[in-house]
Amino acid sequence: GAVVSQHPSRVICKSGTSVKIECRSLDFQATTMFWYRQFPKQSLMLMATSNEGSKATYEQGVEKDKFLINHASLTLSTLTVTSAHPEDSSFYICSARDGTRREQFFGPGTRLTVL
Amino acid sequence: ELKVEQNPLFLSMQEGKNYTIYCNYSTTSDRLYWYRQDPGKSLESLFVLLSNGAVKQEGRLMASLDTKARLSTLHITAAVHDLSATYFCAVDTRRSYNTDKLIFGTGTRLQVFP
Repeated sequence: GAVVSQHPSRVICKSGTSVKIECRSLDFQATTMFWYRQFPKQSLMLMATSNEGSKATYEQGVEKDKFLINHASLTLSTLTVTSAHPEDSSFYICSARDGTRREQFFGPGTRLTVL
Repeated sequence: ELKVEQNPLFLSMQEGKNYTIYCNYSTTSDRLYWYRQDPGKSLESLFVLLSNGAVKQEGRLMASLDTKARLSTLHITAAVHDLSATYFCAVDTRRSYNTDKLIFGTGTRLQVFP
């Protein structure tokens, strides 16, 4: 149980384009989802927290207009990187939690490369 | 601001040896996690520590938590090559139901050699 998937696993795009990453909870209802970013050889940094049906809460320094998060259902959250630039290249990891447990379950991650 | 620091940042150890990774954090918390990350992969959950004095063991890894000292340790016994990975601790900062979040430590990259 508690499986989280992400799609795509890897994406390469040109500078200026937008990229959408999906995060799905496969066997539970995710009332809260989290989006993290990890640069090479660094730790995970929380970008934003989203609760189903509500606007996402962004961490300080994360541009909400650049990283659009939608959590429209209890099994799906999306992160859209708008007008991506090479400095947005990173490993993006989502996690999900249901309403009964505090533990987060992590997705397999999405490697974004912006050329 | 909550800070979570691990040391060492990098650990190169010989197979069969023992070593401890330390995780210090700067505010109160009632829950701490340890994760393993292999290169290019996401996180694998190792331990959840829920109370002061908690100790958990799985194979060659043992984790403990001292909430008064704000310190957790991950002890490696008789290391083997398969343990080579990056290890993260993460502190659960619970404010309210909808605003708790994990703050990750700096990570410890472990390399085990023959």
